[in-house]
This record gives sequence, structure tokens and C-alpha cells, in this order.
Amino acid sequence: GESVGLHLPTLSVQEGDNSIINCAYSNSASDYFIWYKQESGKGPQFIIDIRSNMDKRQGQRVTVLLNKTVKHLSLQIAATQPGDSAVYFCAELLLGYSTLTFGKGTMLLVSP
Amino acid sequence: EAGVAQSPRYKIIEKRQSVAFWCNPISGHATLYWYQQILGQGPKLLIQFQNNGVVDDSQLPKDRFSAERLKGVDSTLKIQPAKLEDSAVYLCASSRISPGPWDEQYFGPGTRLTVT
Repeated sequence: GESVGLHLPTLSVQEGDNSIINCAYSNSASDYFIWYKQESGKGPQFIIDIRSNMDKRQGQRVTVLLNKTVKHLSLQIAATQPGDSAVYFCAELLLGYSTLTFGKGTMLLVSP
Repeated sequence: EAGVAQSPRYKIIEKRQSVAFWCNPISGHATLYWYQQILGQGPKLLIQFQNNGVVDDSQLPKDRFSAERLKGVDSTLKIQPAKLEDSAVYLCASSRISPGPWDEQYFGPGTRLTVT
């Protein structure tokens, strides 16, 4: 399928490196922040979320950091693999509304 | 478990024509969402259904877009007439009512619409 990654900020890394993808969010009232991975020709896929009262959450090979002071969110991917190549989006969620507001994406390119 | 199904995967039409997209959510998922994703941007919610009722359609351009979810399962999204700026990927997602704090949305592969 056609890539959704055109005109997006791009992060290029080597296989095995750690990757850090950043996101600025807009609504300080958001209850959850969520990271999605979107591969070419596919819909977004949930990676990890973090509640607004936390500042760090770890998953398998991924860590999300939340800095509410500057409304900044980051996704760290350890030991990046070629299969991690995709566009990554952060999204905000306000409980009670169930609607996701997606931010701008970042394309991650992992070369072997 | 089968994922969210969408058809067609690709559609090319001329401006002012009509087009319809179909979505079959994951079995048992009460909530269904339609998103528009313009190239290079994140998905934007168009409409959200809970069973066959509309929960949120505040960002749906109602002069040309319509959506329905008859019987609370499948859904169709229609554009009539299409404009050049409607060129985008139309994503369908579904979620179930979960015991957790929020309902994870599962996305289909999308329909890529090109309006010429």
C-alpha cells in the first residue's frame, strides 16, 4: 500500500540502536496518551499508553515518558529492528469522550 | 480473532461523483469509528457509533458525508459529491466495552480514496 509517511519528520537509525520519537501534545486535560505504530498500507496499531498522572511507563522494548510541564511525550524503542520501521503517532484521550486526537506522525526508518 | 474488515481497499473517482465505503468490525465490538487520514497526517475522527446510535459526528462534513450502522454491526460511509480534498485514507476502527479505563480501538487497513 501507499505510504502515509510522505512529508513527515523522519528518524533514520541503524539496527540495534535505540530510537527516541517525540511528540508535543495540545490538551493538558487529556487523561491518557497513547502511541500507535502504522505500517504502510495498514491501520494504526496500539503500542503503549500512559496515564496523565504518570511520568514513565515501560513495555516490551518500549518506554514512554511524559513531561506535563512542557506537554511533551516521547517513545523510546530499545534495540531497534527493521520490523520497527513505520510511522509512529501519539494520540490523546479524554476519558468520557472515548475519542482519540492524533498528533503529527514521525517516520522511523531502520536500516540493517 | 478476525480483524476489522474494510472494502474496497482502493477507489479512484472523479470529483462530484459518489462513493461508499464498507466496514465490518470485530465481532462483539459495540463501538465503531470512521476516521479520515490525509496523506502525511494523523487520523481525524469523522463519526463514532455506539451500537447503531451516533455518539459523536461533530467533525463529519454533513453536507456531503453520511454514515450509517444498521443493526449495530456493519457500517457504510458515503461521500456525495466528492471533492478533490476528500482524497485520503478512510479508516474504520472498532472497540468493545472493556473493564479498563478506556476502550482500545482496533483499526482496519483503510480504503484509499483518490479524487481526480
